[in-house]
Amino acid sequence: TQLLEQSPQFLSIQEGENLTVYCNSSSVFSSLQWYRQEPGEGPVLLVTVVTGGEVKKLKRLTFQFGDARKDSSLHITAAQPGDTGLYLCAGDSNYQLIWGAGTKLIIKP
Amino acid sequence: KAGVTQTPRYLIKTRGQQVTLSCSPISGHRSVSWYQQTPGQGLQFLFEYFSETQRNKGNFPGRFSGRQFSNSRSEMNVSTLELGDSALYLCASSLSLAATYEQYFGPGTRLTVT
Repeated sequence: TQLLEQSPQFLSIQEGENLTVYCNSSSVFSSLQWYRQEPGEGPVLLVTVVTGGEVKKLKRLTFQFGDARKDSSLHITAAQPGDTGLYLCAGDSNYQLIWGAGTKLIIKP
Repeated sequence: KAGVTQTPRYLIKTRGQQVTLSCSPISGHRSVSWYQQTPGQGLQFLFEYFSETQRNKGNFPGRFSGRQFSNSRSEMNVSTLELGDSALYLCASSLSLAATYEQYFGPGTRLTVT
């Protein structure tokens, strides 16, 4: 069974701090997607990384795909309360998405 | 353009009953995927339909079934409901197969089984 492990499961920090969340697997993925889900809503795609070693930036969010395409990280700089949510990663394995359990992030003002 | 819509948004059913949930994808999207989300298990893939055919299926019992119509709208059915079926059921649409195209999620249907 292919697994995507996300860590930490839960993170609560003060506004302005930096943080990194991780998405790890023993499997290789063709691509990896990051989503954010807010309470009462469905997940929204943030980014898709495709190439090993790829780095993508979305304002204060930096996404990196591991060289071996088995892991990914999401770094948030100067976190804001609006970043609060559940962050999910999903990897493409043979045209089927494998989902992580998510990191619940709370940014306190 | 209009997003993914799901109906109903909230539903309360009794154990043993059956339920049908509906999903209308974004216009032009041909793939619809269904997910179950619970606090304990996270987001779990149920099945994906593309051009009225089931393309992928998750590890759920046969009580969970779905279908897609020619206009890409999709329904999922759960028969003989169990307490453990209480969850948020999410539908997502994409232009083509979900793994290779951006998925757009609906707000979900919150199902409570009593």
